[in-house]
Amino acid sequence: KQEVTQIPAALSVPEGENLVLNCSFTDSAIYNLQWFRQDPGKGLTSLLLIQSSQREQTSGRLNASLDKSSGRSTLYIAASQPGDSATYLCAVVGNAGNMLTFGGGTRLMVKP
Amino acid sequence: KAGVTQTPRYLIKTRGQQVTLSCSPISGHRSVSWYQQTPGQGLQFLFEYFSETQRNKGNFPGRFSGRQFSNSRSEMNVSTLELGDSALYLCASSLERIPGELFFGEGSRLTVL
Repeated sequence: KQEVTQIPAALSVPEGENLVLNCSFTDSAIYNLQWFRQDPGKGLTSLLLIQSSQREQTSGRLNASLDKSSGRSTLYIAASQPGDSATYLCAVVGNAGNMLTFGGGTRLMVKP
Repeated sequence: KAGVTQTPRYLIKTRGQQVTLSCSPISGHRSVSWYQQTPGQGLQFLFEYFSETQRNKGNFPGRFSGRQFSNSRSEMNVSTLELGDSALYLCASSLERIPGELFFGEGSRLTVL
């Protein structure tokens, strides 16, 4: 059974800092890994999707890497801003269609 | 293009009642998935429908059921509500272009008293 873990569970940083969020998964047989953002009481917004054949994806100040063999992914946020405050979730897709297995999330607060 | 629409956004029920939640996927998307989010268990997969057929099912009791209509709209039903069913229920649709590429709605917040 796939298990996804995110560390840390919560993070508070001053504005402008670069930061790294971590995600690990137990079964390396995945199709892809995604990072989502969730604002309080809202749905999920997809940030980056890394397919199993890829090592990383970039979008603006965000960069996500994937190491399937070690079962790890990192989300790097450059020059953090207060608007980045949210919960960040990683999820993996195995071989069962669109069934995502989510980590517990990292709650990020960026202080002005 | 409109996103995934879920109704109602908020609802309050009492134990023992039943509830039906609705999801309209993005136009052209034929796959609809449902997830439950609670503070204790996080996000958990409920089920997925594709072309009116349940394709995958998570580890939830039979009180949780769903269906999909010919226009791809989906409903999920929870019968005999329990306090632990209080959660944010999220619906997501997919174009089936990339496995797991889901587009989520804003969710339906269910409170069971």
